[in-house]
Amino acid sequence: SQTIHQWPATLVQPVGSPLSLECTVEGTSNPNLYWYRQAAGRGLQLLFYSVGIGQISSEVPQNLSASRPQDRQFILSSKKLLLSDSGFYLCAWSVAPAGGLGTGELFFGEGSRLTVL
Amino acid sequence: GDSVTQMEGPVTLSEEAFLTINCTYTATGYPSLFWYVQYPGEGLQLLLKATKADDKGSNKGFEATYRKETTSFHLEKGSVQVSDSAVYFCAPSDQSGTSYGKLTFGQGTILTVHP
Repeated sequence: SQTIHQWPATLVQPVGSPLSLECTVEGTSNPNLYWYRQAAGRGLQLLFYSVGIGQISSEVPQNLSASRPQDRQFILSSKKLLLSDSGFYLCAWSVAPAGGLGTGELFFGEGSRLTVL
Repeated sequence: GDSVTQMEGPVTLSEEAFLTINCTYTATGYPSLFWYVQYPGEGLQLLLKATKADDKGSNKGFEATYRKETTSFHLEKGSVQVSDSAVYFCAPSDQSGTSYGKLTFGQGTILTVHP
């Protein structure tokens, strides 16, 4: 069966420090991968998605970046964190169907709560 | 792009009460529609889905019907339990052909059920 894990679960970082959140998927190959952010009291915002190794699409301009060094590994990074980067970060994967059309069903990790002080 | 309007919360109910959480959407083409649930401190998990007009998704006593004519996908449950307390998200999937299956999530509706 497929599993998804992300870490760390909780992180407290000072403003201006770097960030690295990691996500790995097991039990499937060539998944679509996603990073979402959930700010306090708000809905989910798609930050990045990837359809393959080294292929990253950014949905919103920000000081965050994403990388996919391996098929089932997705990393969210920042060189210098801002207070506004605080939130709950969720990694997700979906099956990558032929033709580029998604089925829409996402499978989420447990989430990483980031507090920037 | 797609958009979703979800009933604002928080919603507070007594156990065994009837629940409705409204959701309407705008989308290109014929999206699949999803309800996700987020229990406290956890990630999201799929609650139910419908892939075409008039389909009814159901799971754990929750139901939602894909209404193409009103572009709605309202979530209902006849008798809620304390364990249903969570945040509920409505989400259509972008089927425009270049979207790679991205979901557009609503703001989420917080449901609290009291004994």
